[in-house]
Amino acid sequence: QVQLMQSGAEVRKPGASVKVSCKVSGYTLTDHFIHWVRQAPGQGLEWMGRIDPKTGGTIYIQKFRGRVTMTTDTSVSTAYMDLSGLTSGDSVTYFCASGGAGTAGTAIDYWGQGTLVTVSS
Amino acid sequence: QSALTQPASVSGSPGQSITISCTGTSSDVGSYNLVSWYQQHPGKAPNLVIYEVTKRPSGVSNRFSGSKSGNTASLTIYGLQAEDEADYYCCSPAPTSWVFGEGTKVTVL
Repeated sequence: QVQLMQSGAEVRKPGASVKVSCKVSGYTLTDHFIHWVRQAPGQGLEWMGRIDPKTGGTIYIQKFRGRVTMTTDTSVSTAYMDLSGLTSGDSVTYFCASGGAGTAGTAIDYWGQGTLVTVSS
Repeated sequence: QSALTQPASVSGSPGQSITISCTGTSSDVGSYNLVSWYQQHPGKAPNLVIYEVTKRPSGVSNRFSGSKSGNTASLTIYGLQAEDEADYYCCSPAPTSWVFGEGTKVTVL
């Protein structure tokens, strides 16, 4: 079955960077986009961007351009989200999600379990 | 891209039906028949319950039903059950992004 397994919780100091990983199984990584979504405590879901693992092509929302880098390593079926210049506002949970492994590419369907990033001095 | 508009909360008694609205624009909800809905319980990842406006993934109860008219999509939960108490989010593609709704807390009275 399709699974997305994310790396564990991280603590970083302000100004530092964090890299979250997302290992997929049950389908071929290059068959579907990987989306990254974040959620502040008690708040809604915010789409950050997505990567096409087949081409490496990325789309980021303007809010994160210059600070976020999404990559994949197809040899280990893993996607990565690297966020730099961390502030307290980045202390949220980050989710990776498949762009259609179960819906033929028409929906963000399978989700990782989430990775909590805490930014604190 | 602004978040899609959802009511902050909706409540109903067990067995009743409730409907959650999701209003966007002609650039997102109105342009694509690809609205999806997610159920999220506290501390858990979102779970897809509706995609392509009306389709249910395998394993999702047929008590969940989706529809769309113009720039507004809707999720109806029939025969409300205690386990349906959760946050619900709609989502739509837009020309160069995807956008989520603000979220609706469903309370089973």
